[in-house]
Amino acid sequence: QSALTQPASVSGSLGQSITISCTGTSSDIGTYKYVSWYQQHPGKAPKIMIFDVSYRPPGISDRFSGSKSGNTASLTISGLQAEDEADYYCSSYKSGITWVFGGGTTLTVL
Amino acid sequence: EVQLVESGGGLVQPGGSLRLSCAASGFTFRTYDMHWVRQAPGKGLEWVACVRTGGDPHYSDSVKGRFTISRDNGKSSLYLQMNSLRAGDTAVYYCARAGSSGWYSLDHWGQGTLVTVSS
Repeated sequence: QSALTQPASVSGSLGQSITISCTGTSSDIGTYKYVSWYQQHPGKAPKIMIFDVSYRPPGISDRFSGSKSGNTASLTISGLQAEDEADYYCSSYKSGITWVFGGGTTLTVL
Repeated sequence: EVQLVESGGGLVQPGGSLRLSCAASGFTFRTYDMHWVRQAPGKGLEWVACVRTGGDPHYSDSVKGRFTISRDNGKSSLYLQMNSLRAGDTAVYYCARAGSSGWYSLDHWGQGTLVTVSS
């Protein structure tokens, strides 16, 4: 299964907004509304930030939002804070009852 | 509090076998799909396998035929039997629970167990 495509890195200044894209195919993102986003700090386990394209789990800041258009999903982080600096991974359910992750994006907060 | 604790990782030679375990607590284990996800050193996340509540398994192409996922609801435990291991299987293996709201997401993760395949 080919991984979803994410930019290797993005950066933004404190207080600004950034968007991370995640491009898949008609077999995953294009068909299913089951895109998730995970945050991972160095040496830590991933943490869910967004599920089902745009829903936030309890306790996740509303600075994090998700969307989807066609075969591409996006994660937007507004009001960047220092603690947002981490790796971010998208994931999608895909046909054949499998899941696929993106290659990951490293967010640097300047 | 939901807790997932993996064990069983270690150093194994190419072609060898290893069985990972994941002890779950803090939720009704039998009502959740469970997953294994791995992360090679310095690399991204890779979905490995899932076992549904009814026990039916699903695998990524990269491990199909070599790995077997299973669960013991009575022990609230998840397992991953890994055979014919290759250097490319070297990774931290995470146990993860399907989301309570979004069943196609993973809302709780263990801390992972490291598997190293090397001679």
